[in-house]
Amino acid sequence: QQQVKQSPQSLIVQKGGISIINCAYENTAFDYFPWYQQFPGKGPALLIAIRPDVSEKKEGRFTISFNKSAKQFSLHIMDSQPGDSATYFCAASSGTSYDKVIFGPGTSLSVIP
Amino acid sequence: NAGVTQTPKFQVLKTGQSMTLQCAQDMNHNSMYWYRQDPGMGLRLIYYSASEGTTDKGEVPNGYNVSRLNKREFSLRLESAAPSQTSVYFCASRTLNSYTFGSGTRLTVV
Repeated sequence: QQQVKQSPQSLIVQKGGISIINCAYENTAFDYFPWYQQFPGKGPALLIAIRPDVSEKKEGRFTISFNKSAKQFSLHIMDSQPGDSATYFCAASSGTSYDKVIFGPGTSLSVIP
Repeated sequence: NAGVTQTPKFQVLKTGQSMTLQCAQDMNHNSMYWYRQDPGMGLRLIYYSASEGTTDKGEVPNGYNVSRLNKREFSLRLESAAPSQTSVYFCASRTLNSYTFGSGTRLTVV
């Protein structure tokens, strides 16, 4: 119930295309769903996050779509750029314990020119 | 703005050796964490400290010990390193629901 599933494991997208990464969770107590971006040799950094009271959140070229009934959420990267090439982690946590955020296994994104 | 600083960045140990990974944050955060990152497994919590003076086990604590030295510093110790502990280790601190990670320590145990 604590697991967060993420797919695909790796993704190759043409420059200018749309990158889509999907995540699913089981624990209905989760109420905060962040996405972290990690460049090689660096630690993950918070990219964008959503709460289940909204179905979509957009920040620039990055959009989270959230489907509460299906317990799924996804990251869309519009107009993908080579600089977006990184590993992306979805995560989930509950307000009762932000100490125990659960991370997905990660998606390695490569944006080719 | 240093954020979260980890040392060393790279380390090679022989099986059975011990070492301490150091972590310091300058953001006045109460909570600090140690994670390990392995291919295809994401980030797994080893230990965390919700506040100065407290520590708790995470998902994979076996083979590790931690010390919250003060509000800024949180160290991770491997008493007798094993090849299964070959990994990239990340320290993090948290304010509200946002984590800030260090750049990691790549540890190889041979």
